[in-house]
Amino acid sequence: QVQLLQSAAEAKKPGASMKVSCKTSGYTFTNYGITWVRQAPGQGLQWMGWISTTNGDTKYAQSLQGRVTMTTDTSTSTAYLELRSLRSDDTALYFCATSIIPLAGAGYWGQGTLVTVSS
Amino acid sequence: DIQMTQSPSSLSASVGDRVTITCQASQAISNYINWYQQLPGKAPKLLIFDAFHLEVGVPSRFSGSGSGTDFSFTISSLQPEDFGTYYCQQYSSLPPTFGPGTKLDIK
Repeated sequence: QVQLLQSAAEAKKPGASMKVSCKTSGYTFTNYGITWVRQAPGQGLQWMGWISTTNGDTKYAQSLQGRVTMTTDTSTSTAYLELRSLRSDDTALYFCATSIIPLAGAGYWGQGTLVTVSS
Repeated sequence: DIQMTQSPSSLSASVGDRVTITCQASQAISNYINWYQQLPGKAPKLLIFDAFHLEVGVPSRFSGSGSGTDFSFTISSLQPEDFGTYYCQQYSSLPPTFGPGTKLDIK
């Protein structure tokens, strides 16, 4: 069965960087791209971006441009989300999910990784 | 960015009730809308894509309709496992944007 297993929760100071991993299994990694979505506490869903698992092409939310990098490691079927210069409003639950293309539904989801940014 | 509005923002209903949620896009998006369910403490789950197509395994009590700017999502007979938050999402253009959600709870 398809599984996306995300890394454990993190606590960060403002200005630091975070890197969340999303290890996939149960399917051919390059069949789907990976979308990242975040959810601030008690809030709705925000699309952060998408990465192709075949050629590394990325699409990022404009609001995160310059601070976000999405990468993949096809040898381990793992996707990574890095966010730099963290602020308190980056505190959120971060989800990875499979999407064939950026403009498509996200079919399989990870369990989420809580990142808390606080001094 | 395309803005998505949802109504109502919250809804109390009973098991067996029929409920409808509406979603409006700030510009025409054809039928490029998804509907997700998020149960408490869980990741979202894709229920409907392309406005009315059910994902595999999704019960037929869920349905969607609409085109252009106005869309609706209906649960024909609420079940206990349906109580949670529902989001629409447009994928007509980047960035894909979500509605603010409709929280459905037990009356």
